[in-house]
Amino acid sequence: NAGVTQTPKFQVLKTGQSMTLQCAQDMNHEYMSWYRQDPGMGLRLIHYSVGAGITDQGEVPNGYNVSRSTTEDFPLRLLSAAPSQTSVYFCASSYLAGVEKLFFGSGTQLSVL
Amino acid sequence: SQQGEEDPQALSIQEGENATMNCSYKTSINNLQWYRQNSGRGLVHLILIRSNEREKHSGRLRVTLDTSKKSSSLLITASRAADTASYFCALGGTSYGKLTFGQGTILTVHP
Repeated sequence: NAGVTQTPKFQVLKTGQSMTLQCAQDMNHEYMSWYRQDPGMGLRLIHYSVGAGITDQGEVPNGYNVSRSTTEDFPLRLLSAAPSQTSVYFCASSYLAGVEKLFFGSGTQLSVL
Repeated sequence: SQQGEEDPQALSIQEGENATMNCSYKTSINNLQWYRQNSGRGLVHLILIRSNEREKHSGRLRVTLDTSKKSSSLLITASRAADTASYFCALGGTSYGKLTFGQGTILTVHP
């Protein structure tokens, strides 16, 4: 099994550009989420989904959109990139929305110039 | 939302020594989890302890939870150079669908 797959691994954007970070899992997990990791800030939850068609906001949702049309995929969209969105982004999934064990992707390092 | 506070921020030890990391929090939790992150990689789940448990073991890992003091500790016994990583506590059950992470402890184990 591939587990949680994130693409791309690295991305450089200019301010104002939009892009989509892809996340796919092959474990039939109900729960999927996006975190960003900044130095000294730990991981902060952006958006999460407890099943197909259901999404909700996390701690830092502004500037990001998500959708969950299938169980497997949970893309994260940056609408108009800003330098403050320079970060490492992690997608994570869990069997249940009780979130008792998260499986993480390998991350996307995003730089916004 | 609440976040775990980890202590120390960084820990440097020799191979064979024990490493202890602490996590404190402010409100009620359902469970507390510990994760490891090797440099540049995704996090890996280590262990989960529920609010009605006081101690849990997994290999060289020992986790304790004191709900009266709202704190947890992760002990790694007989550390190895391969244990060098960042360790994060994560609070579960404070809000449905959300797992909140602390800022992490950077552990360096010198051979």
